[in-house]
Amino acid sequence: ETGVTQSPTHLIKTRGQQVTLRCSSQSGHNTVSWYQQALGQGPQFIFQYYREEENGRGNFPPRFSGLQFPNYSSELNVNALELDDSALYLCASSWRGGAGANVLTFGAGSRLTVL
Amino acid sequence: QQQVKQSPQSLIVQKGGISIINCAYENTAFDYFPWYQQFPGKGPALLIAIRPDVSEKKEGRFTISFNKSAKQFSLHIMDSQPGDSATYFCAAWGRDDKIIFGKGTRLHILP
Repeated sequence: ETGVTQSPTHLIKTRGQQVTLRCSSQSGHNTVSWYQQALGQGPQFIFQYYREEENGRGNFPPRFSGLQFPNYSSELNVNALELDDSALYLCASSWRGGAGANVLTFGAGSRLTVL
Repeated sequence: QQQVKQSPQSLIVQKGGISIINCAYENTAFDYFPWYQQFPGKGPALLIAIRPDVSEKKEGRFTISFNKSAKQFSLHIMDSQPGDSATYFCAAWGRDDKIIFGKGTRLHILP
């Protein structure tokens, strides 16, 4: 059983650029969610995808968007990067439809620095 | 608007002692309360969780105490070990399928 893998692990962008982060879900999971973790803070929910559709969104602007693919992998896209977007971006997968719906398995994250 | 307040921000405990981390929530619609453990360079990992219909849950050295009327819950780590040194996050799930995390507690266990 593979865990959740994210890529890239680190990246540096400049203000105004666009970034795409990728996530492979844990085998057997059908739901993926994304979180932003600023330094010294807890993760903040960005959005969740189930059956390739956005299924819940936190307090993030539309320039944060995502995709879920038929194999349950996912992408997080951020347009028009701002300095405050610098953070660790975490992906988590889970199985929707049973008792394990609230059990999240996190990846190690992608550390984004915006200069 | 922070809906889950966690304290303390940092904690130092002697090896073998009891580590206690507290959380308080505001939204009575929360129905699942997990604790996560995060080591540097890693993502959070689920440690233990509780639903509001029970007042306590124990798994090994880790215990959650839950006070529904006070809207508070806490994590107790018994016989704390240096390997427990990590950042701990409490969280709360709403019926809208959204999870809210506390700001975290950095725990350091002295050898």
